[in-house]
Amino acid sequence: GQNIDQPTEMTATEGAIVQINCTYQTSGFNGLFWYQQHAGEAPTFLSYNVLDGLEEKGRFSSFLSRSKGYSYLLLKELQMKDSASYLCAVRDSNYQLIWGAGTKLIIKP
Amino acid sequence: SAVISQKPSRDICQRGTSLTIQCQVDSQVTMMFWYRQQPGQSLTLIATANQGSEATYESGFVIDKFPISRPNLTFSTLTVSNMSPEDSSIYLCSVVLSEAGELFFGEGSRLTVL
Repeated sequence: GQNIDQPTEMTATEGAIVQINCTYQTSGFNGLFWYQQHAGEAPTFLSYNVLDGLEEKGRFSSFLSRSKGYSYLLLKELQMKDSASYLCAVRDSNYQLIWGAGTKLIIKP
Repeated sequence: SAVISQKPSRDICQRGTSLTIQCQVDSQVTMMFWYRQQPGQSLTLIATANQGSEATYESGFVIDKFPISRPNLTFSTLTVSNMSPEDSSIYLCSVVLSEAGELFFGEGSRLTVL
């Protein structure tokens, strides 16, 4: 079966750095997405990786290793507004999106 | 990115009734996707709505329970029929707007069934 694993919850301090990991086992691979979802709101797109390596976008970076079936989302200079759930999703060989359960990130002052 | 509008944004419904959710996109898109997100859980794809053809439903979802219309390239509706408390959820429409294929979501419709 297809599976995506993320930690359920993480806690970090304002101004610090946090890394949210995602491991996947899917039928083929056609890209990995990270989304942010604030409580009560719809998910918003953060990043897309299809090749190995690091994609940087401001305070957020996403890394992919296809051989290891592994990705992480790195958030720097954490702000209180970064408190949200972060969803990892992988597009398989049929171009279907497989969603992780999400990681709830709690930022403390 | 496009503007994706959903309505209603939230509703409280009685068991046994049906509710239709509307999704309007401000640009033409080939496929629209309907997702469900139950409390504390991730996203589950209900169906893919294609203009001019029947929607394609995922395992566990059937047309009688979740009929979908797609009359044109900018609009779709999802009906939740004969609702029960287990249907209490956020329902989200989404579209793909770029070659990379990332999904953009509407604001969601939060349904509570009593």
